[in-house]
Amino acid sequence: VIWMTQSPSLLSASTGDRVTISCRMSQGISSYLAWYQQKPGKAPELLIYAASTLQSGVPSRFSGSGSGTDFTLTISCLQSEDFATYYCQQYYSFPWTFGQGTKVEIK
Amino acid sequence: QITLKESGPTLVKPTQTLTLTCTFSGFSLSTSGVGVGWIRQPPGKALEWLALIYWDDDKRYSPSLKSRLTITKDTSKNQVVLTMTNMDPVDTATYYCAHSFGFRDPYGYWGQGTLVTVSS
Repeated sequence: VIWMTQSPSLLSASTGDRVTISCRMSQGISSYLAWYQQKPGKAPELLIYAASTLQSGVPSRFSGSGSGTDFTLTISCLQSEDFATYYCQQYYSFPWTFGQGTKVEIK
Repeated sequence: QITLKESGPTLVKPTQTLTLTCTFSGFSLSTSGVGVGWIRQPPGKALEWLALIYWDDDKRYSPSLKSRLTITKDTSKNQVVLTMTNMDPVDTATYYCAHSFGFRDPYGYWGQGTLVTVSS
């Protein structure tokens, strides 16, 4: 099983801020990492796959980087609709696993 | 347009077996590479990957739940069914089904989820 450490678990920020979320793997996964956004009462939505490829329709203020064991999700200029919980997920090997989530809240 | 929708009981008793159905449209599970999986989320907690079935009937399970889970597909009905035996209150969660375009492709489309409560 590939274990994931996602940090921070809670991030307080203001509109316009640049925020960064980290995801570290217990072993290398090449670039088989996805980022999801989840709003309260809703299903997760895919933001980024293959570590850095933006899903169609996702604003360009979202970006992903990394490979191997260390990955980052960056929101360059936080908007009001970005306050949500973010999850990383590896799909390199089974069982697929999710990070513990990062809640981005209004400061 | 790809859509998925989960259905099943909202309340089950401890020790009972849960059967959830994912009914989808906009794709076929007979298309090479395609997969449909199940993920759950206890209230206020993180996502947990459960199982995945591919177009060729390849099935993958969470090791910690493998003994309790069965995933099957009915291609003609555009449905995937997940059964979980010996339900416990800790299994209370929102259960999601989701679509994957292929092996080593993440979940691009998700159902709305269905909340299952385990209580006597």
